[in-house]
Amino acid sequence: AQSVTQPDIHITVSEGASLELRCNYSYGATPYLFWYVQSPGQGLQLLLKYFSGDTLVQGIKGFEAEFKRSQSSFNLRKPSVHWSDAAEYFCAVGEAGGFKTIFGAGTRLFVKA
Amino acid sequence: DAGVIQSPRHEVTEMGQEVTLRCKPISGHDYLFWYRQTMMRGLELLIYFNNNVPIDDSGMPEDRFSAKMPNASFSTLKIQPSEPRDSAVYFCASSLSLGFTDTQYFGPGTRLTVL
Repeated sequence: AQSVTQPDIHITVSEGASLELRCNYSYGATPYLFWYVQSPGQGLQLLLKYFSGDTLVQGIKGFEAEFKRSQSSFNLRKPSVHWSDAAEYFCAVGEAGGFKTIFGAGTRLFVKA
Repeated sequence: DAGVIQSPRHEVTEMGQEVTLRCKPISGHDYLFWYRQTMMRGLELLIYFNNNVPIDDSGMPEDRFSAKMPNASFSTLKIQPSEPRDSAVYFCASSLSLGFTDTQYFGPGTRLTVL
């Protein structure tokens, strides 16, 4: 069965520092991969998605993610974090041949001044 | 567009009471999804509709849960009777199509607390 693992429950970075959130997936073929962000009291918003092609995907708000098949990873990165990036981030994988999106447990990002 | 609208934003009720959560999807979206988010289980798909018809309700936890979509602009998720373990944030989402090429747009959620 497909699964998504986000190893870090929470991460704290300083404003202006770089960020990398880890995501590992379990899937037999080329997966559909997503990163969502959930700000406090808000629903999930799609940051970026990967289906095929270029393994480096650009998203909104200055985020990017890189698909590495050999490592079964899809890590999210941002070169310089802003205080407004403090939120919870979810990695997700699209279920094979279907429609269900399997979400990871989430990583909560704290940004310190 | 106002996005996906959910009401109420917060609901506190007592065990045994009926709870109804409401959702208005984005106009023109043919698919509507109900999710539940808890600390223990994360974000889970409960049910989804296509053109107002329930297609897959395999994620609905128990018979106490029911969902309807009487028209293209309105859906409800009902819990009767409610139990403390139903406490969670319930999200509604909508999309143009099924699959992963079209984005699912999430509402702000309803935080349900069952005492």
